Amino acid sequence: DSGVTQTPKHLITATGQRVTLRCSPRSGDLSVYWYQQSLDQGLQFLIQYYNGEERAKGNILERFSAQQFPDLHSELNLSSLELGDSALYFCASSVGGANNEQFFGPGTRLTVL
Amino acid sequence: DQQVKQNSPSLSVQEGRISILNCDYTNSMFDYFLWYKKYPAEGPTFLISISSIKDKNEDGRFTVFLNKSAKHLSLHIVPSQPGDSAVYFCAASAWNTGANSKLTFGKGITLSVRP
Repeated sequence: DSGVTQTPKHLITATGQRVTLRCSPRSGDLSVYWYQQSLDQGLQFLIQYYNGEERAKGNILERFSAQQFPDLHSELNLSSLELGDSALYFCASSVGGANNEQFFGPGTRLTVL
Repeated sequence: DQQVKQNSPSLSVQEGRISILNCDYTNSMFDYFLWYKKYPAEGPTFLISISSIKDKNEDGRFTVFLNKSAKHLSLHIVPSQPGDSAVYFCAASAWNTGANSKLTFGKGITLSVRP
């Protein structure tokens, strides 16, 4: 158990809908990262928050947004969902920047029908 | 553009033998490299890392070698055990550029260790 929790574990929804994925980092970790893993891709970095502020952005679509709250949990919002958004979404946390070991949650499997 | 490449999708080895997992990168700004291991239905777990100022880092049965001139790193597992069967991801970051937040991952390699 990495100490990072993600909810829900599975999510099935329809195209055009909006969903929110939730992540609670390990106790004491200030950074939260979101990654997407599609069927034929490795882990694609989406976005990072550090202590409530956006720190780095990767290949995140405009339809996607995230935030980190004062209690350091984070939410990833995916809107106007398309079939291609079906993927595993992982959250990771670390004490600081990327050179610190990132601890990954178990992931949320999103299926868009 | 795949900046971190794990060209072999799978590897099968006999228990007790050495497993060598390879990774190549194209971005010369990368200066910190990590290996993660992933079991089905779980998130990746950190295994071992290496900074570009070193060419080798060892932790128990796991050793990572870095060849900067070839932009190549490898993970050696000796001896391999059935419990090592998992997907292994190579990842890299460019810490010195200030882009220290982003880890770039390869697509992973599935290791199967036969009893």
